[in-house]
Amino acid sequence: AQRVTQPEKLLSVFKGAPVELKCNYSYSGSPELFWYVQYSRQRLQLLLRHISRESIKGFTADLNKGETSFHLKKPFAQEEDSAMYYCALTAFASGTYKYIFGTGTRLKVLA
Amino acid sequence: DARVTQTPRDKVTEMGQEVTMRCQPILGHNTVFWYRQTMKQGLELLAYFRNRAPLDDSGMPKDRFSAEMPDATLATLKIQPSEPRDSAVYFCASGLAGGVGSYNEQFFGPGTRLTVL
Repeated sequence: AQRVTQPEKLLSVFKGAPVELKCNYSYSGSPELFWYVQYSRQRLQLLLRHISRESIKGFTADLNKGETSFHLKKPFAQEEDSAMYYCALTAFASGTYKYIFGTGTRLKVLA
Repeated sequence: DARVTQTPRDKVTEMGQEVTMRCQPILGHNTVFWYRQTMKQGLELLAYFRNRAPLDDSGMPKDRFSAEMPDATLATLKIQPSEPRDSAVYFCASGLAGGVGSYNEQFFGPGTRLTVL
């Protein structure tokens, strides 16, 4: 079965420190992977998708098929990065699309 | 700026009462999702529709939950009877699946915060 695992519920870092939010997935085919972010009192919004290979707000994420990982990274954390981050997978299986979110990691960037 | 809308934004009700949540997807989107967010479980997919047809509702407790799309501009999620364990934030999202250039991105509504006493 398809699964997305975010092992850390909470990650606290100091401003200016590097950040890595971990995401591992299980899926035998070729998934589409996303990172969504939810800032305080705002709706969830797309941050990154692996297919675009882009950097948004300084964040990048590389799909590692060998390790089945899609970790989110930023070299220098900012206080405004404090939010809830969800890793998500879309896969076509058994004739239908599956949409699976991880349980989320709350990032706190300390001054 | 097209956005998914949800009503009500907040709902407090008593155990046993019926609750109906509504969602207006972005015009032109062919896929609508219902999610439940709790501290313990994170974001769980309850059901989703493609072109108004239910494709997967395996995440939804069938005995008390029901989801429908009476037309392309309205999706509803109903709980009858409600229980305290249903207290959560319920999100609707819409997206465009299939076709050239589709990346299966989902656009989320603001959520309905449900409290069942």
